[in-house]
Amino acid sequence: GAVVSQHPSWVICKSGTSVKIECRSLDFQATTMFWYRQFPKQSLMLMATSNEGSKATYEQGVEKDKFLINHASLTLSTLTVTSAHPEDSSFYICSASGGEAQETQYFGPGTRLLVL
Amino acid sequence: LAKTTQPISMDSYEGQEVNITCSHNNIATNDYITWYQQFPSQGPRFIIQGYKTKVTNEVASLFIPADRKSSTLSLPRVSLSDTAVYYCLVGAKGAGKSTFGDGTTLTVKP
Repeated sequence: GAVVSQHPSWVICKSGTSVKIECRSLDFQATTMFWYRQFPKQSLMLMATSNEGSKATYEQGVEKDKFLINHASLTLSTLTVTSAHPEDSSFYICSASGGEAQETQYFGPGTRLLVL
Repeated sequence: LAKTTQPISMDSYEGQEVNITCSHNNIATNDYITWYQQFPSQGPRFIIQGYKTKVTNEVASLFIPADRKSSTLSLPRVSLSDTAVYYCLVGAKGAGKSTFGDGTTLTVKP
């Protein structure tokens, strides 16, 4: 139980385009989802917290207009990187909590984004 | 949010028991301690969670002293496949926000 998926697992895009990453809780209802970013050889950095049906709460220094987060249902949250630039290249990981998995955060497999 | 401090790296050999300690001096009353394992290019995997004393599951044990200012993850009889980065997180259960520390890179040698 407590499985979280992400799609796509990797994506390459041109600078200036937008990329959408999906995060799904497959066997529980996720009332809360978190989005993290991880650069090589570094720890995970929390970008934002989203609760189903509410606007996301962004961490200091994270541009909410650049990283659009939507948590429209209890099983799906999306992160859209708008007007992507090479410095946005990173490993993006989501986690989910809630329902039968309310005890802790369960993480997705991550999405590798490369912006050319 | 409680700040956590772990050793940057540890080496061990196959079959040995490994103990990784995390310091969290400003842990709050309602904070839980959760440990995750991460392999390269993968999301963290939940290992164990506890509040106080000792918790054991099929893969690890977690020891938390009475003052809760530190915790120790114990991995019995490690194998090469346990080579990974281990993170301890301190925060409210489940939906509570947690901050990742730098993690401990465990290298298991044959």
